[in-house]
Amino acid sequence: QKEVEQDPGPLSVPEGAIVSLNCTYSNSAFQYFMWYRQYSRKGPELLMYTYSSGNKEDGRFTAQVDKSSKYISLFIRDSQPSDSATYLCAMSAANAGNMLTFGGGTRLMVKP
Amino acid sequence: GAGVSQSPRYKVAKRGQDVALRCDPISGHVSLFWYQQALGQGPEFLTYFQNEAQLDKSGLPSDRFFAERPEGSVSTLKIQRTQQEDSAVYLCASSPGLSGNTIYFGEGSWLTVV
Repeated sequence: QKEVEQDPGPLSVPEGAIVSLNCTYSNSAFQYFMWYRQYSRKGPELLMYTYSSGNKEDGRFTAQVDKSSKYISLFIRDSQPSDSATYLCAMSAANAGNMLTFGGGTRLMVKP
Repeated sequence: GAGVSQSPRYKVAKRGQDVALRCDPISGHVSLFWYQQALGQGPEFLTYFQNEAQLDKSGLPSDRFFAERPEGSVSTLKIQRTQQEDSAVYLCASSPGLSGNTIYFGEGSWLTVV
């Protein structure tokens, strides 16, 4: 079993919908949590970065971390066709801060 | 350029051939990382440099993989005697500080071994 699990999708939603993307993990040492967006044939782009448990909001994006459940989420409000991409969660431990462990990615399609 | 630059973008190698992949990080970035991304998977850590020092190479899958950053800027990932299982996207990333949490990726070098 992988340390970080993510539903591969694809997840198809209509434009304007609220999107919920999730990851579960098994390593309780993870303290830093990130979400990356990756367009086809491009490198991952950092969207959100959070430390420990709690919520963080940035525009249409909200990241939530629940360390007690080992569960993180990314919410996208008012989704746009340009949000169509693969979303990767990533995390790291305090004593291994230079290595990110990624989920497998969820492919999102927002239909106009 | 403003971002992390990688070359070649696409490489087809015959099995057994040696390949070299180049990464030009964002100017002034101290930390440099290599990740491997198989088709349909998330990136997996290969190695980490702080300036010219290779501080972590725990993710390199075999001794056929070698990375260097001799002057603390440009880095090269070399794969000797390529095998079909080496086919993947090789992503380079850099960070201005010492942390690997907020890093900036290049577009990757797509390697296909035939």
